[in-house]
Amino acid sequence: TQLLEQSPQFLSIQEGENLTVYCNSSSVFSSLQWYRQEPGEGPVLLVTVVTGGEVKKLKRLTFQFGDARKDSSLHITAAQPGDTGLYLCAGPSWRSNYKLTFGKGTLLTVNP
Amino acid sequence: EAQVTQNPRYLITVTGKKLTVTCSQNMNHEYMSWYRQDPGLGLRQIYYSMNVEVTDKGDVPEGYKVSRKEKRNFPLILESPSPNQTSLYFCASSLWPGSGRGLGYTFGSGTRLTVV
Repeated sequence: TQLLEQSPQFLSIQEGENLTVYCNSSSVFSSLQWYRQEPGEGPVLLVTVVTGGEVKKLKRLTFQFGDARKDSSLHITAAQPGDTGLYLCAGPSWRSNYKLTFGKGTLLTVNP
Repeated sequence: EAQVTQNPRYLITVTGKKLTVTCSQNMNHEYMSWYRQDPGLGLRQIYYSMNVEVTDKGDVPEGYKVSRKEKRNFPLILESPSPNQTSLYFCASSLWPGSGRGLGYTFGSGTRLTVV
């Protein structure tokens, strides 16, 4: 079974701080996706990383895929209260690209 | 607006009373899936469908049924709900969820089910 371990599980910071959350696996993934879920809503896709070493930026969010394609990180610069939410990583199963495995997520709270 | 619509948003029911949670998407996606989300366990896949009349079990299919008679609809059926099925349920659709081309899931807003 391919598992995605996310850390930290919980993170509470002040507005303006920087942070990094991690998504790790012992398995190689062909790609990894990051989602953000706000309370009471479904997850929303932020980005997909495909190539080992790839870096993608989405405004203040920077996503990196590890060289070996076993891990990924999400860095947020100057966090804002609107960044509060559950950040989930997900990757396709080795059995089928139609089946996504999700990590348990990092719950981020940004305090004003 | 491209979306996945689930109904109802909230449901309280009693043990053993059959229920159906509906899911509909307007994006002509071939792939649809149901997940449940529980504290400490994350999102776990219940069933998925790769196209009309093609469904397969996910990681936690026991106690659930699905059908895919039309491309846009993918209802989740609980024939005899039990308290351990109390959870937050999400329907999702995609052209190809595992694709490296960024074609991830579009999720519905969720159905919070309580079985007493």
